[in-house]
Amino acid sequence: QKEVEQNSGPLSVPEGAIASLNCTYSDRGSQSFFWYRQYSGKSPELIMSIYSNGDKEDGRFTAQLNKASQYVSLLIRDSQPSDSATYLCAVNGGGFKTIFGAGTRLFVKA
Amino acid sequence: ETGVTQTPRHLVMGMTNKKSLKCEQHLGHNAMYWYKQSAKKPLELMFVYSLEERVENNSVPSRFSPECPNSSHLFLHLHTLQPEDSALYLCASSQGASGGQYFGPGTRLTVT
Repeated sequence: QKEVEQNSGPLSVPEGAIASLNCTYSDRGSQSFFWYRQYSGKSPELIMSIYSNGDKEDGRFTAQLNKASQYVSLLIRDSQPSDSATYLCAVNGGGFKTIFGAGTRLFVKA
Repeated sequence: ETGVTQTPRHLVMGMTNKKSLKCEQHLGHNAMYWYKQSAKKPLELMFVYSLEERVENNSVPSRFSPECPNSSHLFLHLHTLQPEDSALYLCASSQGASGGQYFGPGTRLTVT
């Protein structure tokens, strides 16, 4: 069974620090990788997508992909209390079936 | 706003009722999805439609019946549900299979 694993947290970081969120996946043939942010009581919001090995930066967010090791990570620089949310990793191995991880709760302390 | 709307936002129904959830996307995408989100569990894919054809059906009980009349609208028809079906039901859309998905606000369903 194809799986996406994330540490459930909570991950607690002080304001201004770098938050590092990690995700591993089981399907070696996976091609598309996504990070979503979900605030309590809200729906998931797409924040990053990455398709090739290496780093992809967008503002304070950097997604990192290593297909050989089957992991994808999300770095949030200069973390703010408004970044406190659950972050979902999602992996697409082809077709329309995207597998979501259970999410990591991030808490940024002011 | 993400460009995906869902109605109703909250729904309470008895086990013998029939109701429908509606989703509309204004993003020009060609794929639409239904997910179930229960507490402490990952998002569960229920159905996927691409260009109005169902392309994924994830062993969902027949008491859930999807309908996609066009590329902008998606329905989930509900009948004789069970209390364990209480959850947040999310609709999403994407451009193709590899595009990121954009979610609606969800329908919080309670089955009594």
